[in-house]
Amino acid sequence: SAVISQKPSRDICQRGTSLTIQCQVDSQVTMMFWYRQQPGQSLTLIATANQGSEATYESGFVIDKFPISRPNLTFSTLTVSNMSPEDSSIYLCSVEDWASGDGETQYFGPGTRLLVL
Amino acid sequence: SQQGEEDPQALSIQEGENATMNCSYKTSINNLQWYRQNSGRGLVHLILIRSNEREKHSGRLRVTLDTSKKSSSLLITASRAADTASYFCATQNSGGSNYKLTFGKGTLLTVNP
Repeated sequence: SAVISQKPSRDICQRGTSLTIQCQVDSQVTMMFWYRQQPGQSLTLIATANQGSEATYESGFVIDKFPISRPNLTFSTLTVSNMSPEDSSIYLCSVEDWASGDGETQYFGPGTRLLVL
Repeated sequence: SQQGEEDPQALSIQEGENATMNCSYKTSINNLQWYRQNSGRGLVHLILIRSNEREKHSGRLRVTLDTSKKSSSLLITASRAADTASYFCATQNSGGSNYKLTFGKGTLLTVNP
C-alpha cells in the first residue's frame, strides 16, 4: 500500500489566519481526498483533489474556505482559510490507486491536528 | 442520508475476550471497509468486503456482510490491550460518485488487561 505523509502533524493557530496542509504519497495514485474529523466525531469528506483541475467539493464545503491543489499524482495541499475555533479538527488525506491490486481500498495519512484559538 | 451507523458506541471487555461491533447502512453499496483509529491519529485500514461477499477473515478479524439487512459486523477474537481504539465502518456506494467513503460514528473499544 502507498505510504502517505502529512505536514504539519499538528498546529495551533490564531483565528483569522490560514494554514496549508501538505499530503505526500510515495507513489503515483489515481485519487486523493481530504477529510475532516471534528472532535469526538466521525470523518466527513471535504473534497476530491483532482490533478490539474479544480477540486470537487462535497455539500457544505466551498473552495474559498478550503482551497485545494493537486499539481501531480503524488502531492496535494489543503488550505484552511480565515480560521475560526470551529475549524479545530483533524484533517486527513486519503488515496486510492485504481491501478493497484486493491484499487477500491482507501488508505489514510496520519492526519493533521489543528487547534484554532 | 447517513450511512454506516455503528453499534455499540462504546464497548469495554477483558483481554482474551471477543469483541463484536456492528454497522448498518441505508443505500446500495459496492463495498464496506473497516478502519481502526488510535487516539485521534490516522486511520489504519483493516479489511474490505465487497457487496458480493458474505464473510472475510484477516488474522484475528472476521467481517460479515448481509446486504439484505444492510448490515456488517466486525469480530475481533482473543482481544489484546493493543486493540484498544476506535473502529469505523465506511461504505462506498454503488453508482454515481462511487469512490466516496461515508463513515459511521464509530465504536470505541477498550480492552482491559
